[in-house]
Amino acid sequence: GQQVMQIPQYQHVQEGEDFTTYCNSSTTLSNIQWYKQRPGGHPVFLIQLVKSGEVKKQKRLTFQFGEAKKNSSLHITATQTTDVGTYFCAGLREYGNKLVFGAGTILRVKS
Amino acid sequence: GAGVSQSPRYKVAKRGQDVALRCDPISGHVSLFWYQQALGQGPEFLTYFQNEAQLDKSGLPSDRFFAERPEGSVSTLKIQRTQQEDSAVYLCASSFASYNEQFFGPGTRLTVL
Repeated sequence: GQQVMQIPQYQHVQEGEDFTTYCNSSTTLSNIQWYKQRPGGHPVFLIQLVKSGEVKKQKRLTFQFGEAKKNSSLHITATQTTDVGTYFCAGLREYGNKLVFGAGTILRVKS
Repeated sequence: GAGVSQSPRYKVAKRGQDVALRCDPISGHVSLFWYQQALGQGPEFLTYFQNEAQLDKSGLPSDRFFAERPEGSVSTLKIQRTQQEDSAVYLCASSFASYNEQFFGPGTRLTVL
């Protein structure tokens, strides 16, 4: 079945440093979504990427979708303590209707 | 105009008991999803509804799990004869369409003793 792998599992950075998490799918995706889950909270939608090679920015966050539509990345520039949480990618297979989530990357920020 | 709500927020069950978890999606959202999230893991798909039709139940781990959405709005996830391995957070999410962003509820934390 479809699998979505996410690395790293955990990253601890100093405030102001950059952070990147990577996502790889075993199958070609129609779209990929990113969610953030704060400790004790529920996943909150960040963005959806649909086109091959697409790049989207939200303030300090940059999202990329690979040319083959099988991988994606999220990059945060100059992390802040408010960025802490777990970042999940979730892939939707073509003609599918269910998101397959990665295991997430836990981000901790030291101030 | 509130978001997705779920009840109860916490449920403790003795092994063998039946439980029912409720989800109230955002009004007007056609698609409704149930996920199971174990500690330190991403949400795992359980089942998907489009209106009242259950179009995909491939993620339900056993025939002890049953979900319904009879009127196309509120949904209930029922677990019969609970086992310890059923302990997890059960998340409900809704969206306008299956390929759109999903709005998650706060989840129900189920602990089976």
